Order: sequence, then structure tokens, then C-alpha cells
Amino acid sequence: NAGVTQTPKFQVLKTGQSMTLQCAQDMNHEYMSWYRQDPGMGLRLIHYSVGAGITDQGEVPNGYNVSRSTTEDFPLRLLSAAPSQTSVYFCASSMGQGGYRTYNEQFFGPGTRLTVL
Amino acid sequence: SQQGEEDPQALSIQEGENATMNCSYKTSINNLQWYRQNSGRGLVHLILIRSNEREKHSGRLRVTLDTSKKSSSLLITASRAADTASYFCATDLIAGGTSYGKLTFGQGTILTVHP
Repeated sequence: NAGVTQTPKFQVLKTGQSMTLQCAQDMNHEYMSWYRQDPGMGLRLIHYSVGAGITDQGEVPNGYNVSRSTTEDFPLRLLSAAPSQTSVYFCASSMGQGGYRTYNEQFFGPGTRLTVL
Repeated sequence: SQQGEEDPQALSIQEGENATMNCSYKTSINNLQWYRQNSGRGLVHLILIRSNEREKHSGRLRVTLDTSKKSSSLLITASRAADTASYFCATDLIAGGTSYGKLTFGQGTILTVHP
């Protein structure tokens, strides 16, 4: 299993450009999420999905869109890049089960380092 | 604001010593998890402790959870230089008995273990 993969690893954008960060997992996990990590800070949740066709906002959703058309893929779209979106972006997945959604450990991808000029 | 807050923000010790990191949170949780992040890498899950558990062990790791104080601690015994990393706690919040299905991370503790 490849686990959670993210592409690209590095990206430089100009203000106003749009792009899509790709995330895929091959573990048949229901739950997938996107985080951003800024220097000296923990991870902040951007968007998450509890299954194909279902997405919801996290703590910092503004400026980002997501969709979940398949179980495997969960792309993150930056609509109009801003310097404030310069960050490291992590995708994660976990099994997620039961009515309580008592999900297990999250598996993280290697991250995408994004710089917006 | 962040749900989990780690203390201390940075910890520097010698190989062989024990390292203790603490995490406090604000609201009821379903479970609490600890993750490790090596510089420039993604996070790796270390251990999960559920709200009805008080202590859990995994190798050289020992995690405690005190739901009355809304706090958890991670103890790494006999530390090694390879344990140098950032350590994060993450909580799975619940409200009305239902998990929201998302983790909230603290800001992390940077652990440096000197050979």
C-alpha cells in the first residue's frame, strides 16, 4: 500500500492564481481531511469528508474548496491564491466507523509546501 | 483557539533521560491522540487513549488521561537522539454524545534529545 500520497511536494504560485492540491489514499478509508501547518503552530483543519459525496468545513475553510467524488481522492482547490495561504498542507485519512464516528489513527501524507508570492 | 495546548513548548534533555509532555483541552472528548512529526515530514500516530481509559502504554511511551482535569501527559522513557521531533496532542471533540469526526491539534512540544 502506498498509504496517503500528495502531489505536488512543492509549489510556488502568484497571487490570484488557482491550483489544486491532490490527495489520494489506497486504504479504503472513509474519513479524509486537509490541514494547514504554519511555522510554530499546530495543524488547523481546513475541510474534511466522512465519505464519498460528503464534505464539511473545518476551522479555516475560507479560500479553499473540496470535493469527494470517490473514496480514494480528496483534492483541495485554492480558488484565488493569497500570500496568507503560504503554508504546508497535509492530507490525512482514517477508517472512521460507527455512529459515534469513533475513528482510529489518522494517516498523514508527506505534505505540500506552498508559497504564494 | 486551539482545543489542545501542549506544555512545555520546547524541551531539551540528554539521552537516557525521560521526557514528559503535557496537553490540556477545553471541552469533552471522545478520545485523545498523540502524534510525532520529524522535521519536514508528515505526522505519525503514536498512541490513542479513549475517554474511559486512564493510562496506556506502547513500548517506551506512556500516556495518561485525566478527564476531570481535561489533561493528558505523554512520557517517553529512556529517550534517544532519534526521539528528537515535535509532539502533538489531538482531541476528538464530542457534543451531545456525538463525535464531530474531526481532530483538533495543539501547537506541539519540540523535543530535543542530545546524544
